[in-house]
Amino acid sequence: EIVLTQSPATLSLSPGERATLSCRASQSVSSYLAWYQQKPGQAPRLLIYDASNRATGIPARFSGSGSGTDFTLTISSLEPEDFAVYYCQQRSNWPTFGPGTKVDIK
Amino acid sequence: QVQLQESGPGLVKPSQTLSLTCTVSGGSISSGSYYWSWIRQPAGKGLEWIGRIYTSGSTNYNPSLKSRVTISVDTSKNQFSLKLSSVTAADTAVYYCARGNLSTAMVAFDYWGQGTLVTVSS
Repeated sequence: EIVLTQSPATLSLSPGERATLSCRASQSVSSYLAWYQQKPGQAPRLLIYDASNRATGIPARFSGSGSGTDFTLTISSLEPEDFAVYYCQQRSNWPTFGPGTKVDIK
Repeated sequence: QVQLQESGPGLVKPSQTLSLTCTVSGGSISSGSYYWSWIRQPAGKGLEWIGRIYTSGSTNYNPSLKSRVTISVDTSKNQFSLKLSSVTAADTAVYYCARGNLSTAMVAFDYWGQGTLVTVSS
């Protein structure tokens, strides 16, 4: 099983600041990595797939990068609606998710 | 716009079988471009993939749950279903159905249901 770790667990930032979230895989997942945003009481929403492609309707302030074992989700300038939990996911033999990074308001 | 909606009992007794259905609207479940998954999330915790079914009927399950899980599809009703047997309190979670998009190399989950809370308790 490929294990995903995310850091930091919590990121406290102010609106307008840049957010950098990390996801590391226990072995290479090539570019087969996605990022999701989840707000309280809601289902996850796909943000990024194949490591760097924005899903339909996702604002340009969200970007993804990386390959192999190290990946980054960057939010260039936080909007109030961006404060949420972010999960990475790989597909490998079966899909697994990271434990999440919570982005909260400083 | 594709929509997924979970339905089923919100309370299941220990040792019994949890049964949920996901109804897909706004698109055909028979499209070969997707597969259909169940994913769960215990309160305050992360996401766990349960399994998937392709339109061919082929299935794959999380090895940790494989002995207890069955996923099936009813194309005539545009629905797919989950059965999880011998449940315990550890199976209490919000259960989501989701669509896996085969047009993306990593088969991302691009549409999700709103989720349904299932509590295992006597």
